[in-house]
Amino acid sequence: SQQGEEDPQALSIQEGENATMNCSYKTSINNLQWYRQNSGRGLVHLILIRSNEREKHSGRLRVTLDTSKKSSSLLITASRAADTASYFCATAYSGGSNYKLTFGKGTLLTVNP
Amino acid sequence: KAGVTQTPRYLIKTRGQQVTLSCSPISGHRSVSWYQQTPGQGLQFLFEYFSETQRNKGNFPGRFSGRQFSNSRSEMNVSTLELGDSALYLCASSLLTGGGETQYFGPGTRLLVL
Repeated sequence: SQQGEEDPQALSIQEGENATMNCSYKTSINNLQWYRQNSGRGLVHLILIRSNEREKHSGRLRVTLDTSKKSSSLLITASRAADTASYFCATAYSGGSNYKLTFGKGTLLTVNP
Repeated sequence: KAGVTQTPRYLIKTRGQQVTLSCSPISGHRSVSWYQQTPGQGLQFLFEYFSETQRNKGNFPGRFSGRQFSNSRSEMNVSTLELGDSALYLCASSLLTGGGETQYFGPGTRLLVL
């Protein structure tokens, strides 16, 4: 089964509002990453947060990680129409050679102008 | 640096045929991973290659195979195509393997099986 699960599945907001997406996972991780995908295209890496970090910022993005609750959140502040996309969290399992990223099913964010 | 490139971008095949997809990673990246994306199953990991060796494999049947060349370029092959193989196939490269590196994705190959 998928390691990460995003919530909500879909989110519709007005331009200028903040958007918050959540991700829950099941096992221990090395890090958690967030990606964006515009319709039918490749994924773009947004931010990586390691298991020993609690919060990270990148421009209008803020990511938090709570390993005790096995959850993460992605906050996009002052959203723009160009932020319309699907957002995926991906978890990287602990353990050296047995590495793979496991993606959730994503949150579809629509930002209305 | 040029990004990850995938060829072809679109492909139409019929059931029973086989297909080969190609991926050129970012220069200097030694790890290439492949993913299948469908509306129903989402993004699923197929396999990862690092320095021409398969390092990890997802839960896909043996019809799905891959390889990596000495220049890090990778190919994946699907034999005896089924309707359910219709999907967007994404390739991603990273500098190293192990511990979860940032993945740089290509635009994908959209495969339609009729």
